[in-house]
Amino acid sequence: DGGITQSPKYLFRKEGQNVTLSCEQNLNHDAMYWYRQDPGQGLRLIYYSQIVNDFQKGDIAEGYSVSREKKESFPLTVTSAQKNPTAFYLCASSSETGYAKNIQYFGAGTRLSVL
Amino acid sequence: GDSVTQMEGPVTLSEEAFLTINCTYTATGYPSLFWYVQYPGEGLQLLLKATKADDKGSNKGFEATYRKETTSFHLEKGSVQVSDSAVYFCALKGSTLGRLYFGRGTQLTVWP
Repeated sequence: DGGITQSPKYLFRKEGQNVTLSCEQNLNHDAMYWYRQDPGQGLRLIYYSQIVNDFQKGDIAEGYSVSREKKESFPLTVTSAQKNPTAFYLCASSSETGYAKNIQYFGAGTRLSVL
Repeated sequence: GDSVTQMEGPVTLSEEAFLTINCTYTATGYPSLFWYVQYPGEGLQLLLKATKADDKGSNKGFEATYRKETTSFHLEKGSVQVSDSAVYFCALKGSTLGRLYFGRGTQLTVWP
């Protein structure tokens, strides 16, 4: 089945540690996105990528980094510079063409907590 | 810039009640509009969409009409069920390539 896979489902970070959240898609979508969700605040865009080897900062990129070396993969690293990383992280992908144009498809999310 | 303003929640209804969740937007040009739904512990799923003025999106008994004159895209359902309990997000695809702008979400709880 086509879809987006995020792993792990739960992640714990120690002080001063970088952690990486995985996002893989087999939908052949060019665009991928990372969002952060906090209670009562909706979704906030961290980074997005329209094409391999290119990505743009979203609204809250500080303390995060990404790479897009393959079309299928868009990992997010939460660095030690992110002082309040506890949140639910969602990855999404979309196509700019066809019937499903502009529809974002989401993974099941990773819940990150600080130890 | 582009933005979405969504009705604050939570919304609590009895089964078979009528549902309206208000959504208004600000955008240049002709944005596409979406409603997404999020069930507990899951990612978001597309519920319905509309791509031009006066379009009506519909799915699973939910409807929303793209009203350009009032810049609105209100979500409605005539008879809610317990299984509709979830968080609903209004979203806009505007002029910025690729990205969506989401509202803050509205928590709906339906009691039997």
